[in-house]
Amino acid sequence: ETGVTQSPTHLIKTRGQQVTLRCSSQSGHNTVSWYQQALGQGPQFIFQYYREEENGRGNFPPRFSGLQFPNYSSELNVNALELDDSALYLCASNPGSINNYGYTFGSGTRLTVV
Amino acid sequence: RKEVEQDPGPFNVPEGATVAFNCTYSNSASQSFFWYRQDCRKEPKLLMSVYSSGNEDGRFTAQLNRASQYISLLIRDSKLSDSATYLCVAKAGGYNKLIFGAGTRLAVHP
Repeated sequence: ETGVTQSPTHLIKTRGQQVTLRCSSQSGHNTVSWYQQALGQGPQFIFQYYREEENGRGNFPPRFSGLQFPNYSSELNVNALELDDSALYLCASNPGSINNYGYTFGSGTRLTVV
Repeated sequence: RKEVEQDPGPFNVPEGATVAFNCTYSNSASQSFFWYRQDCRKEPKLLMSVYSSGNEDGRFTAQLNRASQYISLLIRDSKLSDSATYLCVAKAGGYNKLIFGAGTRLAVHP
């Protein structure tokens, strides 16, 4: 397994519910970051995990939280879902702080909140 | 002001045309720059890195001007398969987050 994989691919939730999205990092990559892409927009940085600790966060409220596991896989949790949380959620992994490296994204989870 | 700004397009061009996309960034501390390609309802995929010395990959040429904080992508001899959204990206911050523009749509027609 060499790519970044995400699950589930699609999800429909009701406003107020909680959701957990999962990401398996590319082999050898110890850093994972999550992005939210609303329709017609570019992806927006949510947060990043390095060796199981959050080491960077974008402008998202605390109800967006995450975890990284010893095998470097990761979860994104969103509590109290709002309609505006409907988006494509993308996970990217990279092998560390190498400046000139473009991240590889998973195929994403498309979340619809109704 | 957005940190990375691009013309949203769409750019509608015939096959064989040359098309240029422009992008500006506001954070002078940005360290690295990329162009990503995104097909409809798919994930972004890295197209190429951007350097001050320029970077060419086949029909694609990317250029960075740090003094003007300006990035460009030139596509020569457009193909139907080039139809996609092109995202301009800066990498910045101590943890190297990616900052995306909103994307420029390209539609190549026969």
